[in-house]
Amino acid sequence: DGGITQSPKYLFRKEGQNVTLSCEQNLNHDAMYWYRQDPGQGLRLIYYSQIVNDFQKGDIAEGYSVSREKKESFPLTVTSAQKNPTAFYLCATRGGPGNEQFFGPGTRLTVL
Amino acid sequence: QKEVEQNSGPLSVPEGAIASLNCTYSDRGSQSFFWYRQYSGKSPELIMFIYSNGDKEDGRFTAQLNKASQYVSLLIRDSQPSDSATYLCAVRGIYNQGGKLIFGQGTELSVKP
Repeated sequence: DGGITQSPKYLFRKEGQNVTLSCEQNLNHDAMYWYRQDPGQGLRLIYYSQIVNDFQKGDIAEGYSVSREKKESFPLTVTSAQKNPTAFYLCATRGGPGNEQFFGPGTRLTVL
Repeated sequence: QKEVEQNSGPLSVPEGAIASLNCTYSDRGSQSFFWYRQYSGKSPELIMFIYSNGDKEDGRFTAQLNKASQYVSLLIRDSQPSDSATYLCAVRGIYNQGGKLIFGQGTELSVKP
């Protein structure tokens, strides 16, 4: 079953805690992305990686960190430095004839 | 000015009608344009992409691109209640490193039975 998986689906965090969101893909795509979506808004890019062991900051990278040790995996850590972490987090890969992006099911993070 | 703009809606159409969703973009060098559908609480799913000026049809969906006017639209023919969702326009510019997409805020579509 090919695709992108994200876990957990829902995550609750206390203030001051770091949490890590998982993203795994078996599409054999090189490029992977992390977006954040707030209610009624479009997607904003947090980090992206075009190849293993390389990643770049997106538009709103402050308070987040990533790693890309394997082609299949691109975990996102939301650190305590992120002031407003409550949001819907989406992982995507890029491939296909149009170089389009495909999204995982998302993780909804709530800070208590 | 936002890089990619969409009317937030909601856009309400009766079942069976044509729904027209519009998007404008500011980067004249943009080359690739994408339409995604997002149901409430779910992740976006790709409907179609377009590169060249003109129309591109896929089933009930038609994407229209006018680069001179910096305008891209999505037409949904024979709209169904199941088409009720938020539609996101995304643009990839010539200088967008890493294949980044810039998203509009989305247009909410409601199809009434």
